[in-house]
Amino acid sequence: EAQVTQNPRYLITVTGKKLTVTCSQNMNHEYMSWYRQDPGLGLRQIYYSMNVEVTDKGDVPEGYKVSRKEKRNFPLILESPSPNQTSLYFCASSLSRLKGGTDTQYFGPGTRLTVL
Amino acid sequence: TQLLEQSPQFLSIQEGENLTVYCNSSSVFSSLQWYRQEPGEGPVLLVTVVTGGEVKKLKRLTFQFGDARKDSSLHITAAQPGDTGLYLCAGARTGTYKYIFGTGTRLKVLA
Repeated sequence: EAQVTQNPRYLITVTGKKLTVTCSQNMNHEYMSWYRQDPGLGLRQIYYSMNVEVTDKGDVPEGYKVSRKEKRNFPLILESPSPNQTSLYFCASSLSRLKGGTDTQYFGPGTRLTVL
Repeated sequence: TQLLEQSPQFLSIQEGENLTVYCNSSSVFSSLQWYRQEPGEGPVLLVTVVTGGEVKKLKRLTFQFGDARKDSSLHITAAQPGDTGLYLCAGARTGTYKYIFGTGTRLKVLA
């Protein structure tokens, strides 16, 4: 089954304790992206990756890091989480426009993060 | 700055009524997507519109992309309780790979 998986689904942590949220897709998509969803603000893009070893900032990258060492994985790293990073996080992937993709994104189930 | 303005934000209607949701921008988009999101889940694609003026139908849902590729609309005919959810429009401005989402329209259809 074609899917995007995220782990963990729920996480409660404390300020300053480094954490990683994993994302994996099995559709051989080149493009992957991370979003956060907050009430009243909608979905905002954090980082995206066009392909392996190619990443770029979205609209809200501060406090986050990403890496793309393999095509299927795109982990989101919070080196020193703060309470304002409490949010619902989504990973997504899509086929490259160069390969006929039309910007259709497939989303993971989400990770609800609480930073105390 | 919210580059994709979605309206209305909330909509509560009776089963069988029609409704239209709008997604507007001053920017040109290479394509626009409409997603529906259920509580506790990620957004799921409904449709992608690519060509200016394009109209796509998905059962009782009709999607239109503006001629200038700056706006889109979603029309639901004879809404049903199963249509309840959060509807999101999204797109990447032409020449970029940064995606922007509208703030969403929360639809509730009462039986």
